[in-house]
Amino acid sequence: AQSVTQLGSHVSVSEGALVLLRCNYSSSVPPYLFWYVQYPNQGLQLLLKYTSAATLVKGINGFEAEFKKSETSFHLTKPSAHMSDAAEYFCAVSDEANSKLTFGKGITLSVRP
Amino acid sequence: GAGVSQSPRYKVAKRGQDVALRCDPISGHVSLFWYQQALGQGPEFLTYFQNEAQLDKSGLPSDRFFAERPEGSVSTLKIQRTQQEDSAVYLCASSLALGGASEQFFGPGTRLTVL
Repeated sequence: AQSVTQLGSHVSVSEGALVLLRCNYSSSVPPYLFWYVQYPNQGLQLLLKYTSAATLVKGINGFEAEFKKSETSFHLTKPSAHMSDAAEYFCAVSDEANSKLTFGKGITLSVRP
Repeated sequence: GAGVSQSPRYKVAKRGQDVALRCDPISGHVSLFWYQQALGQGPEFLTYFQNEAQLDKSGLPSDRFFAERPEGSVSTLKIQRTQQEDSAVYLCASSLALGGASEQFFGPGTRLTVL
């Protein structure tokens, strides 16, 4: 079975500060990893995905994530936070044989002016 | 628009009522997924269709939950004899291709409240 752990439920940063949202996964087969963002009353939007190509993945809105197999991690970063980044962020895992996504509990990002 | 649409956006049901939630996927998308998102939690998988075939329904929490996609396009999630624990946001997603690497596009969800 696959699982995702997102420690903590809330992260608060100042505008312009580094954003770091942590994600660790468990999978018995090579994983595909995803980060989704959810704004209030909206569906989930894909930020980026890892599908066994480059381990450093760049996504939309300046976000990137690095797949580290040895650490079973796929942390999301952004060098400089904007007010518009305030939202809920979900890490998810799937694999080639398993199309369904298994999500973490999500992290709420707040950005202080 | 060209995205995934869901209706209704909000549904209030009395305990014991039956409800039907509709999903219109992106045209041409082969795969369709239903997820349940409880308050403060991440989405949890319910069921998955490839065209009209329901390939995985392992996430359906009870036999009160039933999903169909008869013509390989629109899908309906039906919940019979609703219970309070069914209160959640129900998300539909579609993807163009098969396999876990294909991006899933999500609709805005249907928020179900069971009183």
